[in-house]
Amino acid sequence: GENVEQHPSTLSVQEGDSAVIKCTYSDSASNYFPWYKQELGKRPQLIIDIRSNVGEKKDQRIAVTLNKTAKHFSLHITETQPEDSAVYFCAAMGAGGTSYGKLTFGQGTILTVHP
Amino acid sequence: GAGVSQSPSNKVTEKGKDVELRCDPISGHTALYWYRQRLGQGLEFLIYFQGNSAPDKSGLPSDRFSAERTGESVSTLTIQRTQQEDSAVYLCASSLAGGSNQPQHFGDGTRLSIL
Repeated sequence: GENVEQHPSTLSVQEGDSAVIKCTYSDSASNYFPWYKQELGKRPQLIIDIRSNVGEKKDQRIAVTLNKTAKHFSLHITETQPEDSAVYFCAAMGAGGTSYGKLTFGQGTILTVHP
Repeated sequence: GAGVSQSPSNKVTEKGKDVELRCDPISGHTALYWYRQRLGQGLEFLIYFQGNSAPDKSGLPSDRFSAERTGESVSTLTIQRTQQEDSAVYLCASSLAGGSNQPQHFGDGTRLSIL
């Protein structure tokens, strides 16, 4: 089955700096990669996603890049703000076999943005 | 409804009791997913419904766990003879259709505590 590794586990930045979180996946057939933000005690919220036919996607201060050859994808947050502080999860969705339609999540990154 | 709704929001029960958790997906979403999130951990896939059938039950941890879904509506996750290791937040998500490339939207979860 799919295995997703996420790094770093914690990330501390100053307000205004950029933050980068990286994930690798094992199943080359995976074709959908969402990122979720989870604030303490709240539901995971989808912030951006990318499909395997695209190499990069941007939405205001957030961007995601995908390298299918290397099987890794990254979340980039620019001009970070204190309200960006949360746990961020990457995930990969399988495209076939026992992984079809199933999201496998990374272990999460605790991002802290200091004012 | 406007979003995925889960009940109860919190459940405290004694070891050995049965519990039933409920999920109302977003109206029109045919696919429904259950995940478990232990404290400080990532999301662990439990089961996936497409309509009222469950093509993938591979994540259910033991035969004490079962789930059902009525049509393309409400789902219940039942845990029998609860154990302390069942303590976690149980999250439900729904998507417009099952399979790849469909964003999953989460509910607020049920925080289950086994005494």
